[in-house]
Amino acid sequence: GDSVTQTEGPVTVSESESLIINCTYSATSIAYPNLFWYVRYPGEGLQLLLKVITAGQKGSSRGFEATYNKETTSFHLQKASVQESDSAVYYCALGDWGNTGKLIFGLGTTLQVQP
Amino acid sequence: GALVYQYPRRTICKSGTSMRMECQAVGFQATSVAWYRQSPQKTFELIALSTVNSAIKYEQNFTQEKFPISHPNLSFSSMTVLNAYLEDRGLYLCGAVTGDSYEQYFGPGTRLTVL
Repeated sequence: GDSVTQTEGPVTVSESESLIINCTYSATSIAYPNLFWYVRYPGEGLQLLLKVITAGQKGSSRGFEATYNKETTSFHLQKASVQESDSAVYYCALGDWGNTGKLIFGLGTTLQVQP
Repeated sequence: GALVYQYPRRTICKSGTSMRMECQAVGFQATSVAWYRQSPQKTFELIALSTVNSAIKYEQNFTQEKFPISHPNLSFSSMTVLNAYLEDRGLYLCGAVTGDSYEQYFGPGTRLTVL
């Protein structure tokens, strides 16, 4: 079936350190998978961080980046230097371009950045 | 900007009673609205996808009889949880999809507690 697996949290890093949150997907019934990273800051709603709809492309936003790798079915989230304000829950999601609206989410990874 | 409001933010209902929640898109036209539930210790699961002037599509394990949805126009949708029980508790998210970019904007969610 279609599913998303991501790094189990919580992940704790110190400010200015690098970050990687792993995400792999399985898209057996989706012809044209799109990949997303959403973020949920404390007390706020789910926000789109970045998206990539074409395999081989890289998305970036707010210093975060992720590359859609069809060969390894991965979409890892990386940041070279995290800030305390990056503390949040990060969700990797798989979407179906032909069936807009349906997203399959991973379990979420809680990131705690220590000052 | 595109905003999505959900009401109420939190609600408590007695087991066996029903609870209605609302979703309002502001600043854009929501051609589709997706309702998700995040149960404790789980990720967001799609309940149903509602597109204006089309039939509402429910995911496996979710039915219209249990989660009736109304989507009368491009800015508003509501969903009712009928006959709520303990397993229905969780965070209910509304995701409104724009017709041009197919981006999905989420509200802050309605947290349902069932006593």
